[in-house]
Amino acid sequence: NAGVTQTPKFQVLKTGQSMTLQCAQDMNHEYMSWYRQDPGMGLRLIHYSVGAGITDQGEVPNGYNVSRSTTEDFPLRLLSAAPSQTSVYFCASGDRWLRQYFGPGTRLTVT
Amino acid sequence: SQQGEEDPQALSIQEGENATMNCSYKTSINNLQWYRQNSGRGLVHLILIRSNEREKHSGRLRVTLDTSKKSSSLLITASRAADTASYFCAGAGGTSYGKLTFGQGTILTVHP
Repeated sequence: NAGVTQTPKFQVLKTGQSMTLQCAQDMNHEYMSWYRQDPGMGLRLIHYSVGAGITDQGEVPNGYNVSRSTTEDFPLRLLSAAPSQTSVYFCASGDRWLRQYFGPGTRLTVT
Repeated sequence: SQQGEEDPQALSIQEGENATMNCSYKTSINNLQWYRQNSGRGLVHLILIRSNEREKHSGRLRVTLDTSKKSSSLLITASRAADTASYFCAGAGGTSYGKLTFGQGTILTVHP
């Protein structure tokens, strides 16, 4: 039982490049979400999904797209990377009470 | 959103002392949760308290919930150096199901 996995662990992008952060869970959770965490700050919700085919915006959705074609996977796409998107990105899945199980994070640097 | 706001922002204590952190939230919730984050790692769920509960215990953790004041507290008794971490609260459920948001957290430092 791997829980929540994220790839890659580290990524460096140039301004304007696009990329997809991968997230997968094997707990059959309907709920999944993406957060970003900047130094000394809490987590800010980017997008979330309450089931396959259903996504919604969080607090800071601009510049990011998500899709949820399967229960297991919830990729986050950066459309045109900007230095302001330098951050640590966490994916999480949630059980019926929305207890969150977090992945190990992706450290993204945009130069 | 069910934003959690933690207080204090930082707490420094000696091993063996108790640590109390507070949390406030804005909208109605079905439950409130506390998480712990060790430096650079993902958050780990600690404890969940339902909106119809007032107090809950788990090992050295004690959580209270006051829905009339929209506030919660987390007490860690007999703190250990290994408790050094950031602690976050988040409210879940209610009218914005799924929109679970976290505050900036309380940084707890326990000195040996």
